[in-house]
Parts: sequence; C-alpha cells; structure tokens
Amino acid sequence: QVQLVESGGGLVKTGGSLRLSCAASGFTFSDYYMTWIRQAPGKGLEWVSYISTTSGFIKYTDSVKGRFTVSRDNAKNSLYLQMSGLRDDDTAMYYCARGLEQLGYWGRGTLVTVSS
Amino acid sequence: DIVMTQSPATLSLSPGERATLSCRASQSVSSKLAWFQQKPGQAPRLLIYAASTRATGIPARFSGSGSGTEFTLAISGLQSEDFAVYYCQQNNNWPYTFGQGTKLEIK
Repeated sequence: QVQLVESGGGLVKTGGSLRLSCAASGFTFSDYYMTWIRQAPGKGLEWVSYISTTSGFIKYTDSVKGRFTVSRDNAKNSLYLQMSGLRDDDTAMYYCARGLEQLGYWGRGTLVTVSS
Repeated sequence: DIVMTQSPATLSLSPGERATLSCRASQSVSSKLAWFQQKPGQAPRLLIYAASTRATGIPARFSGSGSGTEFTLAISGLQSEDFAVYYCQQNNNWPYTFGQGTKLEIK
C-alpha cells in the first residue's frame, strides 16, 4: 500500500535551517510529481512547492522562494525540502503528498516550529 | 493569486441531512478544482478532483459540481464520520490555492 512518511521536523531558531524528508513506498516513486503542503497551527492549507518526476520542473509559493529548495532522489524513493532563513510564520505541519492534480495520498506530516 | 472563498464558514446539520458547501474562485479555474476533508489531527483526504470526479474509495454520497468560478460539494445523508472541515483547492494557476475551509458540525 502507498505510504508517505515525513521526518526532520523540530524546533529551530528564527533564521535557522532544517531539512525535511519524505520516504515513499508502495508505488513507483519516479512516476509521480510530488508536493509539499503546510498548515500553520489552527489555520488552513498552503501549497508550498512541487517537483516533477525528473526534477526538471519545480515551483515554489512566493513566501518561500529563495529560502526553500525542493529535491528528490528517485533511487532512494525520497523527497526533500531544504528550508533556510526560517521565520516565525514558517511554523506549521509540513505534509508531503503524491501527485499534482490528484493529491490522493498524504503523509501524516512533520511539525516545524520556528521560535526566537 | 487566485482567491478561493468558501461559504459558509460553519455549517450545523444533523445526521441524515444533506449538506451543500460552496466555493468561489476569484477568476476562472476551469474544472481544476478539488475538495478535501480534514479531521482533527489527520492529514487532508482527497474527496473530489476535476470538480466532479470522486477519488478512489469515496462514497457516492459525496458529489461535486461546477466549473469556472462557482463550485459545490454536496453530501447527502450525513453520517457521523462526515463532520469535519472541508477545503476546496484550485490547481489551474500557480500558486495553487486553498479556500479557508468550511467546518461541518453536528447540530
């Protein structure tokens, strides 16, 4: 069965860095676009970034552009989100999800807390 | 950015009733519209994509309609497990954006 497991979240100081990972299993990872979506505590959903199957096409929402970098390793069935210059408003649960127009599978999320 | 506006913010209904949730886009998103359900402490769950196609395993009591700027999610015969927060999301123009959510609560 399809599984997505995020890791790497935690407490980090304002301006710090963190690398999130998403381990995929149960499907051919290299066949699918992958997506990062976040949700601040008690708030709605925000699409952060997506990456194409071969990493040739990548998009970021404006608020993270220049600070976050999405990547993937198809040989390791893994998706990554390198986050730097973290701000208080980056505090959120970060979810990885499979696909682009049909986000049918999500991980359980990893919590990132940014605090000075 | 395309702004997605959901109404109402909260909908109070009883089990067995029919729920109608609305989503309006600030500009046309064609049929590139999805609906998600989220329960506390859980990741969102895809219900509908392409405005009206039910995702795998989603019961027939969930139906989506609309195109352009006006969309509706209908849930017939509400069951206890349907009380949750519902989000619409457009994937026609980047950045893909979500509505602020409609909380469906038990009356």
